[in-house]
Amino acid sequence: GDSVTQMEGPVTLSEEAFLTINCTYTATGYPSLFWYVQYPGEGLQLLLKATKADDKGSNKGFEATYRKETTSFHLEKGSVQVSDSAVYFCALSLPSGTYKYIFGTGTRLKVLA
Amino acid sequence: EAQVTQNPRYLITVTGKKLTVTCSQNMNHEYMSWYRQDPGLGLRQIYYSMNVEVTDKGDVPEGYKVSRKEKRNFPLILESPSPNQTSLYFCASSRSGDRPQIYGYTFGSGTRLTVV
Repeated sequence: GDSVTQMEGPVTLSEEAFLTINCTYTATGYPSLFWYVQYPGEGLQLLLKATKADDKGSNKGFEATYRKETTSFHLEKGSVQVSDSAVYFCALSLPSGTYKYIFGTGTRLKVLA
Repeated sequence: EAQVTQNPRYLITVTGKKLTVTCSQNMNHEYMSWYRQDPGLGLRQIYYSMNVEVTDKGDVPEGYKVSRKEKRNFPLILESPSPNQTSLYFCASSRSGDRPQIYGYTFGSGTRLTVV
């Protein structure tokens, strides 16, 4: 069935380090792919998205490229800050107007000063 | 400000006492949904609504009810809460259009429910 797999956390980095959070998916058809971020005590916020193969989503220094050949949508940031500490969720939405979204289990990122 | 508003933020209740968690959005979104978030399980969809008077079950609907009498409101009802419904609940909305799958959700801030 359709699914999203994220790397296990927590991920702990020093400030200004390079971040990669892996996300792979299994889906029929051509899903749209999303990254959401959840700061402590808050709801999820849409961070970036890509709606077709080879699209690159970007926002606030974060980037992810929709790779259909490897069914991946890895999140990257060149230099993390303490304020990036949060839980990151990879998600896909299925085509054909089903409104079905499937979320990964989330990856907690902790950035140390 | 465009937002999804949930109330209450925190709720402690006893087994069997009916409760309602309210959700309201001001973006004129057609699609609304309820999720629960549990450690190690991510987000699981409870119910969703594609428009007024149109609701359907998600992946974990047992023990929950919803209604969609107005476009902006989508309350979640627990008729007889049990301890296994202790969780963090999120309401979310999305616009529709020809390709609803491309827009992504706007989430509420969450309701932490404890059933004792």
